[in-house]
Amino acid sequence: AQSVTQPDIHITVSEGASLELRCNYSYGATPYLFWYVQSPGQGLQLLLKYFSGDTLVQGIKGFEAEFKRSQSSFNLRKPSVHWSDAAEYFCAVGRLTGANNLFFGTGTRLTVIP
Amino acid sequence: GAGVSQTPSNKVTEKGKYVELRCDPISGHTALYWYRQSLGQGPEFLIYFQGTGAADDSGLPNDRFFAVRPEGSVSTLKIQRTERGDSAVYLCASSTRQGTYNEQFFGPGTRLTVL
Repeated sequence: AQSVTQPDIHITVSEGASLELRCNYSYGATPYLFWYVQSPGQGLQLLLKYFSGDTLVQGIKGFEAEFKRSQSSFNLRKPSVHWSDAAEYFCAVGRLTGANNLFFGTGTRLTVIP
Repeated sequence: GAGVSQTPSNKVTEKGKYVELRCDPISGHTALYWYRQSLGQGPEFLIYFQGTGAADDSGLPNDRFFAVRPEGSVSTLKIQRTERGDSAVYLCASSTRQGTYNEQFFGPGTRLTVL
């Protein structure tokens, strides 16, 4: 069965510091992987996705993620965090058959301090 | 263009009451999804529509939950005999259905509180 684990419930970083949010997945086949961001009162916004090919994927807002099959990981990174990046971040794996629905992790809340 | 919209944004009801939550997908999107996000959790899949039909309702927790999409556009999630455990944010998403995998665009959600 598909599942996603985000081990960090809450992370605090200083503005301008680098960021890495962890995501581990469980899936029986080559996964489709996603990172979404959710700001208060806003819908989930797709940051980036991985389907195949280059394991380092670039997304919007300066984010990138690296797919590591050997570690079943898809960690999200940003070299320099801005105060506006404070939000909830969700990693998800896409079901490859039928509904193609998403299975989400429990999320990581990012706080950015000046 | 307009994104996915959901109404109401907030709904407070009493235990045992019936509620309806509405989703307006992006125009032209044939696929529509409902997810439920409980406090401190990620969204969980409830039901998927392709056109007018519910192609996969495996995520609905019990028979108190039902959803329709009669004209293949707007969808309504209906919850009968609400329970306090139904309190959550209900998210709707839509996508095209072309190619291998299609991005799901999410609405802002409806926050349901059952007292």
